Amino acid sequence: DADVTQTPRNRITKTGKRIMLECSQTKGHDRMYWYRQDPGLGLRLIYYSFDVKDINKGEISDGYSVSRQAQAKFSLSLESAIPNQTALYFCATSDYGRALAEQFFGPGTRLTVL
Amino acid sequence: GDSVTQMEGPVTLSEEAFLTINCTYTATGYPSLFWYVQYPGEGLQLLLKATKADDKGSNKGFEATYRKETTSFHLEKGSVQVSDSAVYFCALSGWNSGNTPLVFGKGTRLSVIA
Repeated sequence: DADVTQTPRNRITKTGKRIMLECSQTKGHDRMYWYRQDPGLGLRLIYYSFDVKDINKGEISDGYSVSRQAQAKFSLSLESAIPNQTALYFCATSDYGRALAEQFFGPGTRLTVL
Repeated sequence: GDSVTQMEGPVTLSEEAFLTINCTYTATGYPSLFWYVQYPGEGLQLLLKATKADDKGSNKGFEATYRKETTSFHLEKGSVQVSDSAVYFCALSGWNSGNTPLVFGKGTRLSVIA
């Protein structure tokens, strides 16, 4: 079984709809992240959480919100989706205290907003 | 703030050719440096890493040396294979690597043809 899972893997939605992307991990890591990937722009950080009570905005948090329901779960919400939020979204985790800060990625969610 | 610049792709090579993907960084202090690889339809996975100047990371025939004097971490492979076709991301973790998320470059797409 995969250590970092994302649901759904693909989603098509309409402008103005609320949508939630979910991430679960079995690695026991404290730290979780949400990124979006767009062609030619690489990965951009949306939000990150260093533990259940900690939420931090990343580079592009506008239009998004997150919830850290448990150590193992970190959800990303689009309150009112718009077409320029069409992208590939990745969840990642890392272990607290590891100086190398290696991140482990989920398989991604491809979101299309019409 | 910290940043990573890597060569734009796509890069197309014939099998057994030599590969170099350039990566330079801007950061305060002593960052850790990473190369991640994204195979088609998958999330990112760590390819190699280096934590201090002159360290060489290596994996699967790929190498990169942490050069503080030139702030570079170029990825090299002596003989590429078709299976190396992927997108490669250079990344850094800031000086306080326990408390800062990774900063990624925009990625370089590599296509290897038989």
